[in-house]
Amino acid sequence: GAGVSQSPRYKVAKRGQDVALRCDPISGHVSLFWYQQALGQGPEFLTYFQNEAQLDKSGLPSDRFFAERPEGSVSTLKIQRTQQEDSAVYLCASSPAGQANTGELFFGEGSRLTVL
Amino acid sequence: AQSVTQLGSHVSVSEGALVLLRCNYSSSVPPYLFWYVQYPNQGLQLLLKYTSAATLVKGINGFEAEFKKSETSFHLTKPSAHMSDAAEYFCAVSENSGAGSYQLTFGKGTKLSVIP
Repeated sequence: GAGVSQSPRYKVAKRGQDVALRCDPISGHVSLFWYQQALGQGPEFLTYFQNEAQLDKSGLPSDRFFAERPEGSVSTLKIQRTQQEDSAVYLCASSPAGQANTGELFFGEGSRLTVL
Repeated sequence: AQSVTQLGSHVSVSEGALVLLRCNYSSSVPPYLFWYVQYPNQGLQLLLKYTSAATLVKGINGFEAEFKKSETSFHLTKPSAHMSDAAEYFCAVSENSGAGSYQLTFGKGTKLSVIP
């Protein structure tokens, strides 16, 4: 596609439910990032993939958060047993090989998760 | 860890007036610095970046920013505000996480309102 696509755009979950958020990066982009943006805050790093390899998951807040990118393209961020503090916009970003180290990322519109 | 401080969560200017959005960073090494813009219901978009070349960086839509090492600042300016500039602006610094990825550390953002 022309840009980074994320789905669903909006998700409401009851506390304790599992959710899965999908990211379709720009075709051919090697690097893929997930960020979490709480209300009134800037995006915060969650995890980074280079192709299918998850090279950095230091930003995942707990073991309830899991991300994968099995074929080096589409990525899924899964949150198990959601809690209210998980409510945020989850942003996916991608970049071509070599640009990840200059921070020039292409962002999707985000998935807004609300946990009741 | 590097950090970014944006002074003023909300800035209002009149149409045609100077826009000045402030950003200060902390870093022990020469950083890569960025400004991203987020229009309502859209993903973050790169406005401009500093990667240790010219200290005055020109971006899209008439914006520019000056890297001042002595002040650890990277303020964003535009000589004349336009209604279409109303958006949220994020300053970010690129940090080598040591795990093969370069994380972006964002400020909390500044929402710019333009008054007709």
